[in-house]
Amino acid sequence: SYVLTQSPPVSVAPGQTARVTCGGNNIGSKSVQWYQQRPGQAPVLVVYDDTNRPSGIPERFSGSNSGSTATLTISRVEAGDEADYYCQVWDSDSDHVIFGGGTKLTVL
Amino acid sequence: QVQLQESGPRLVKASETLSVTCTVSGDSLSTYRWNWIRQPPGKALEWIGYIYNSGTTNYNPSLKSRVTISADTSKNQFSLRLRSVTAADTAMYFCARARLGMGPRFDYWGQGSLLTVSS
Repeated sequence: SYVLTQSPPVSVAPGQTARVTCGGNNIGSKSVQWYQQRPGQAPVLVVYDDTNRPSGIPERFSGSNSGSTATLTISRVEAGDEADYYCQVWDSDSDHVIFGGGTKLTVL
Repeated sequence: QVQLQESGPRLVKASETLSVTCTVSGDSLSTYRWNWIRQPPGKALEWIGYIYNSGTTNYNPSLKSRVTISADTSKNQFSLRLRSVTAADTAMYFCARARLGMGPRFDYWGQGSLLTVSS
């Protein structure tokens, strides 16, 4: 079965840039979604189809995907960005959804 | 505005069946895929399965032998049943709508229902 491996916890100061990666076999050929989950809340979609932002998501959130790694980049990090971030893909052969293990972002 | 709300018992005994229902407002179950996703305390999200057009289902192979997802279109609800539960099934259970693009993306979520399995 397809496995997604996310980067370890990351800590950044406000105003800096945070990057969270998601690795998978030839993930560049798949569509990657990213979710933000603040403590005690349901996840929120922040990036879909590798690079697109849903309505209401700040431009500070951006995504890229190539080769074996997808990346979520959060520019000008704010305190409210502190959360767990999950990547997600779809295995078209089995029609199953796979989530990564999550990455905790701490804002110093 | 699409809204999803989970409901059901919060405590289930080991070996029994877990049942949780998601009530959808602002959309119809005849469109999109309607999913169950769970998250054990302190752990990652796990996709359980979906129902589409009130009849087509697909499940995570790790849970497939114990899971049934069904829909009641008259009430605009869909439900999850998980049989023979153990402590490992203790988790927050989310219902979510999946919109299809290049792949499914979960654009609306319920707030979650914490289900605990007791021994």
